[in-house]
Amino acid sequence: DAGVIQSPRHEVTEMGQEVTLRCKPISGHNSLFWYRQTMMRGLELLIYFNNNVPIDDSGMPEDRFSAKMPNASFSTLKIQPSEPRDSAVYFCASSFLTGDEKLFFGSGTQLSVL
Amino acid sequence: GESVGLHLPTLSVQEGDNSIINCAYSNSASDYFIWYKQESGKGPQFIIDIRSNMDKRQGQRVTVLLNKTVKHLSLQIAATQPGDSAVYFCAEKGRFTGGGNKLTFGTGTQLKVEL
Repeated sequence: DAGVIQSPRHEVTEMGQEVTLRCKPISGHNSLFWYRQTMMRGLELLIYFNNNVPIDDSGMPEDRFSAKMPNASFSTLKIQPSEPRDSAVYFCASSFLTGDEKLFFGSGTQLSVL
Repeated sequence: GESVGLHLPTLSVQEGDNSIINCAYSNSASDYFIWYKQESGKGPQFIIDIRSNMDKRQGQRVTVLLNKTVKHLSLQIAATQPGDSAVYFCAEKGRFTGGGNKLTFGTGTQLKVEL
């Protein structure tokens, strides 16, 4: 298995632009998570999907952030408009909800908003 | 103004020595814990897990110890190698309000292996 695949690997954009981050979870996994990692706040959970349905989005910082999971093999995290303080590494992780809580993380997207 | 970032605890060990990384967790009801390793430029990778009905679990060169009385978790790495240099996170399992398991991560410890 290729693991969790995220794209792009790096994204540099200007303040005010829309940013879309993409994630392909591990095939067969039914839970998907988006995390953000910064030096200031460490690893923060943004949103959690189970069977493509958003279950908990309490970590989404504000309305500029939105996430979708149109099918079991694809999810997006969108920031519109982006701001410099959104600069961070964004990770997608997936797991199979059988009581095995291990998360498998992608390599992350390094986002820089200028 | 000056920004203040997380001050990651750092553990420096000599190659070949044993490493012990500690973690305190918050929820006495947590019944599952995981250790993750994050190398530079990569996502966190699962190392080892332990359930609350156990005090100790061993893997390959790694051992996790759980002390529920004081809500403390430790990761022991035997014969530390340069490839062990990374940030290590502990995580505890909780529950989402809407159902499902939620992992809450600690701030991490930077392990540096000196040759």
